[in-house]
Amino acid sequence: QQQVKQSPQSLIVQKGGISIINCAYENTAFDYFPWYQQFPGKGPALLIAIRPDVSEKKEGRFTISFNKSAKQFSLHIMDSQPGDSATYFCAARGPYSGAGSYQLTFGKGTKLSVIP
Amino acid sequence: DAGVIQSPRHEVTEMGQEVTLRCKPISGHDYLFWYRQTMMRGLELLIYFNNNVPIDDSGMPEDRFSAKMPNASFSTLKIQPSEPRDSAVYFCASSGGATNQPQHFGDGTRLSIL
Repeated sequence: QQQVKQSPQSLIVQKGGISIINCAYENTAFDYFPWYQQFPGKGPALLIAIRPDVSEKKEGRFTISFNKSAKQFSLHIMDSQPGDSATYFCAARGPYSGAGSYQLTFGKGTKLSVIP
Repeated sequence: DAGVIQSPRHEVTEMGQEVTLRCKPISGHDYLFWYRQTMMRGLELLIYFNNNVPIDDSGMPEDRFSAKMPNASFSTLKIQPSEPRDSAVYFCASSGGATNQPQHFGDGTRLSIL
């Protein structure tokens, strides 16, 4: 059972445009929602993260919007640049439960291509 | 500062052979995770350790897969015998113990089983 659904699978955006990637989750016990960025041949790297008690978090050109009632969150990349071309993964983490607390469930990823 | 170090970066071997993947986590991190990445299934958690102790191995696909963490600075993921369907990129990640500490990933091992 896929617990985090991510869309679209791929995205092509013109330089300077806005890239939007969406994720939906099922488990209301998730308490932390990070986004990871992965370049070819590299491991995923944390980009930005949000907790469900806030509706938006912005870091530079990257913004997470979070809708707790709809169980959805999205990543917005403003003024997209060719260097942003990468695969983006949303993820969700379960509530703290002692030693079993730090699992992340990942979406399947979105391959973003920003064209000049 | 050194990140998570994985070796080898690439491994090509024949079906039936034993494969050992290695990981050195970031010093001071007490959680270590092994993931597998494929086009079909995305990033899947295989197993994770806390203070060198396996906590959850429910993601390990079969008994052919095993993982150990003999000390805080080293972990191995072993596949014996290997099969073509094990071909994937395997990532190791580590994190600190405090809430909201991010997982830091290595650059992975690309495994091809012929």
